[in-house]
Amino acid sequence: AQTVTQSQPEMSVQEAETVTLSCTYDTSESDYYLFWYKQPPSRQMILVIRQEAYKQQNATENRFSVNFQKAAKSFSLKISDSQLGDAAMYFCAYRGRAAGNKLTFGGGTRVLVKP
Amino acid sequence: EPEVTQTPSHQVTQMGQEVILRCVPISNHLYFYWYRQILGQKVEFLVSFYNNEISEKSEIFDDQFSVERPDGSNFTLKIRSTKLEDSAMYFCASSSRTVSSYEQYFGPGTRLTVT
Repeated sequence: AQTVTQSQPEMSVQEAETVTLSCTYDTSESDYYLFWYKQPPSRQMILVIRQEAYKQQNATENRFSVNFQKAAKSFSLKISDSQLGDAAMYFCAYRGRAAGNKLTFGGGTRVLVKP
Repeated sequence: EPEVTQTPSHQVTQMGQEVILRCVPISNHLYFYWYRQILGQKVEFLVSFYNNEISEKSEIFDDQFSVERPDGSNFTLKIRSTKLEDSAMYFCASSSRTVSSYEQYFGPGTRLTVT
């Protein structure tokens, strides 16, 4: 079974600075997807960024980028130029390649942004 | 932009009562999911549904739970006899085969409180 681990329960960052969230996962599959979801206080799950395991290039979405290390099974999220609106819980998630596969989530990292 | 909707947003029920949580997935999606998040914990997979049948379920999804797609638009989760430990946020999600990553779109969640 796949597992996803986020070792940082909470991270604090100064506004306009950069913060990096860690995620490791365990799988025996060779092809899969990885995601970062943001959960603000409203508890809505918002997709931040996705990475296909077969792609070597790291995904980027505006101020959000990932460092995907397939051999190390590591998938970190970097938030650049942090904004107050970035304060939320962030969940790393894994999904196998097949169409209807479930998402397996990590335990989450709370990001606090200091003005 | 199409979105997944869920009703009600908050449901309070007494222990032992039956509840039905409702979801309207995105209209052309074929895969449907329920996830649960106990307050302060990670998001956990409950069940996936495709072609009018359950395709996968977790250990959490015991005989007290059932899912149904009663018509062409709704997807429901029923808990037959609620327990205190069923108090959680329940998220519905859907995905489409037409998107290569089969990205799951989440609804806003239903907060279930069992007293």
